[in-house]
Amino acid sequence: GAVVSQHPSWVICKSGTSVKIECRSLDFQATTMFWYRQFPKQSLMLMATSNEGSKATYEQGVEKDKFLINHASLTLSTLTVTSAHPEDSSFYICSATGDGGSYEQYFGPGTRLTVT
Amino acid sequence: AQSVTQLGSHVSVSEGALVLLRCNYSSSVPPYLFWYVQYPNQGLQLLLKYTTGATLVKGINGFEAEFKKSETSFHLTKPSAHMSDAAEYFCAVTRNSGNTPLVFGKGTRLSVIA
Repeated sequence: GAVVSQHPSWVICKSGTSVKIECRSLDFQATTMFWYRQFPKQSLMLMATSNEGSKATYEQGVEKDKFLINHASLTLSTLTVTSAHPEDSSFYICSATGDGGSYEQYFGPGTRLTVT
Repeated sequence: AQSVTQLGSHVSVSEGALVLLRCNYSSSVPPYLFWYVQYPNQGLQLLLKYTTGATLVKGINGFEAEFKKSETSFHLTKPSAHMSDAAEYFCAVTRNSGNTPLVFGKGTRLSVIA
């Protein structure tokens, strides 16, 4: 149980276009989802926290207009990178926690974004 | 605020040797501590976690870690390294208040030499 999927697993897009990444909890309801960003050979940096039905909370330094997060249902959160630039190229990983205020986070397999 | 320090960005051991990956944390509240492993171009896999109770926790693949409050440490060990253990390892901390994000250390890359 507690499986989180991400789609796509790998995406290449041209500079100036937008890309949407989906994060789904397959067998549980995720009241909270987290989006992390990981640069090569570096650690995961939290970008934002999203709760179902409410606006995402962004970490300091993360542009909310560039990284649009929508958590429309208890099983789906999306991250849209708008007007992507090469410096947005990174590995994006989501995680989800279940209801009941659980501390346990379940991670998706990640999405590799390359902007050319 | 919480933070994690992983000593050593790269650790190299011989196959069959002891693996020791160090993690120290800072937390103003009782921490929940985690170790994750990441293989290239993959997500994170939970190795083990400490929440409450027994301070020595056993995880998957023969790994274990001991929570030492007096030393604010949560070092990861494995008695005998295997080639398949070569990966990136992350220590992480969160607090027991539900739905709070993890704070990760910078990671330690483990190499296993045949």
